[in-house]
Amino acid sequence: DSGVTQTPKHLITATGQRVTLRCSPRSGDLSVYWYQQSLDQGLQFLIQYYNGEERAKGNILERFSAQQFPDLHSELNLSSLELGDSALYFCASSVGGRSPLHFGNGTRLTVT
Amino acid sequence: TQLLEQSPQFLSIQEGENLTVYCNSSSVFSSLQWYRQEPGEGPVLLVTVVTGGEVKKLKRLTFQFGDARKDSSLHITAAQPGDTGLYLCAGVSGNQFYFGTGTSLTVIP
Repeated sequence: DSGVTQTPKHLITATGQRVTLRCSPRSGDLSVYWYQQSLDQGLQFLIQYYNGEERAKGNILERFSAQQFPDLHSELNLSSLELGDSALYFCASSVGGRSPLHFGNGTRLTVT
Repeated sequence: TQLLEQSPQFLSIQEGENLTVYCNSSSVFSSLQWYRQEPGEGPVLLVTVVTGGEVKKLKRLTFQFGDARKDSSLHITAAQPGDTGLYLCAGVSGNQFYFGTGTSLTVIP
């Protein structure tokens, strides 16, 4: 058990809809990362937060947004969903810097 | 974007065989990490290598960081079915983690 909790585990929704994925980091970790994993593309970095502030952005679409709350949990909002958004979405946390990432078990999003 | 290419992409071997997975980049990293991911779970850290030329052993797994800190290899001796999974390397630069393309390993009993 990594200590990182992601909910929901599975999500099935229709194109055009909006969903929110939630992540609770490991106790004591200030940094939260979001990744998208598709079958043929490995782990794609989306965005990172550190202690409530956005620290880095990767290949995150404008339809996607995220935030980290004062209690350090984070949410990833995906809107105007398209079929191609179907993927596994992982949250990872760390104490910061170069410390290793601890991953949750992901949210599997299926857009129909 | 700092890209890490892993090879091979897929590997299917018999139990007891040896194998090597490669992780290559044109970028220099301050450290490199290896993760293993099993179906339905998130990646789990196996090792971090920091110094150019460093070699670390974890039971039957041997990890090496290239002298120039641009590449790494993972060697598994006498593979077992429990080694099956997706192996991911990640180059660390600043507080950013750049993941490789992944190597899917299947060890057949």
